Amino acid sequence: GAVVSQHPSRVICKSGTSVKIECRSLDFQATTMFWYRQFPKKSLMLMATSNEGSKATYEQGVEKDKFLINHASLTLSTLTVTSAHPEDSSFYICSAGLQQGRIDEAFFGQGTRLTVV
Amino acid sequence: AQKITQTQPGMFVQEKEAVTLDCTYDTSDPSYGLFWYKQPSSGEMIFLIYQGSYDQQNATEGRYSLNFQKARKSANLVISASQLGDSAMYFCAMREGYGGATNKLIFGTGTLLAVQP
Repeated sequence: GAVVSQHPSRVICKSGTSVKIECRSLDFQATTMFWYRQFPKKSLMLMATSNEGSKATYEQGVEKDKFLINHASLTLSTLTVTSAHPEDSSFYICSAGLQQGRIDEAFFGQGTRLTVV
Repeated sequence: AQKITQTQPGMFVQEKEAVTLDCTYDTSDPSYGLFWYKQPSSGEMIFLIYQGSYDQQNATEGRYSLNFQKARKSANLVISASQLGDSAMYFCAMREGYGGATNKLIFGTGTLLAVQP
């Protein structure tokens, strides 16, 4: 099946620094990718929709200046957490959609566990 | 209002028994898709099964089947012959509208399944 690769899987950074997370579709082109955030033992909350060649669409309550999204090619979207603080510590996961016949499937990356100290 | 509701925060099942995980949804869009994902402790999201709103038959994928009751707006996941490796968090999700890969998923709060030997 289609593969989405997310990197890094784990990152620890100091408060005030920025962290970039990459999401790549390895064997298909994705004009749209999605970024989710998941707190421990909670559900996935959509942060933003990343559109290739245009600005991302952010969900209500998500700071666009804090979570910078760039989707410069059909296979790569990046999420940069700027000036990270301990409350930004979370599990971030991306997905890209692919329609194959009747199946409309969202493929997820492996996720990135961010710890800000 | 909750669009996806999973009322079971946790479930126990004996190995080799069947288990049903509940999911109800709310939408006014006639075209939608319903998904189930498994999330083990590693964090990855594993696609299990998909049901389209216009599908006449219930979806099945190996030991997974989806009990789709459109009038009741429910899409319960049935896992037959449970295995120890089935212990994980299970999420029900919905995509509204027809747009396939470009439409975002809305997730339920999840059900933590524990399979006992």
